[in-house]
Amino acid sequence: SAVISQKPSRDICQRGTSLTIQCQVDSQVTMMFWYRQQPGQSLTLIATANQGSEATYESGFVIDKFPISRPNLTFSTLTVSNMSPEDSSIYLCSVEDTGTANTEAFFGQGTRLTVV
Amino acid sequence: DAKTTQPPSMDCAEGRAANLPCNHSTISGNEYVYWYRQIHSQGPQYIIHGLKNNETNEMASLIITEDRKSSTLILPHATLRDTAVYYCIVRSGGSNYKLTFGKGTLLTVNP
Repeated sequence: SAVISQKPSRDICQRGTSLTIQCQVDSQVTMMFWYRQQPGQSLTLIATANQGSEATYESGFVIDKFPISRPNLTFSTLTVSNMSPEDSSIYLCSVEDTGTANTEAFFGQGTRLTVV
Repeated sequence: DAKTTQPPSMDCAEGRAANLPCNHSTISGNEYVYWYRQIHSQGPQYIIHGLKNNETNEMASLIITEDRKSSTLILPHATLRDTAVYYCIVRSGGSNYKLTFGKGTLLTVNP
């Protein structure tokens, strides 16, 4: 199983600012994903982080608000831009060895973001 | 992906088996059944997955009905640390393989 490190683990930010969250994996992985979990809710997929190309965003999420980078097979960043209190959530990184339906996903411990 | 239906909450006594049901009546032939759990304030943890046959690992057993329209996750000897939200997810093959989380079942294991 992959070991995933997310930084920071939590932060309190002022509205209008941006925060970049890092996801580091201890081995090369094919797929990396970013999820959001709003308070009391389930996980929602934000985007698939593609190495060497633009991320693939889900409906309702846009690159200007959530720019994502993936420079190599072990690292990705998610930026939450121009934050508002509605962005207060847990943001989770997930990785998989293959891009198929028959493989388990591993999750980081998440970044708990509070926007004030 | 096929939709899943789970009870919002369940209780189980410590040491007893916990049986968590999931309905997925519209599942297709190439779709897998996955179970994850999320302990409070942690990232989701993979438990088990299967296609047609029953599966068992060190954490749990997965029983899939013959028509594949429902499944049951079995924790054979629940402990207090198994208190968590359990998500049953049906996952497609091909290009649409993403995990879609529903609301899950909050399992509370009582002493």
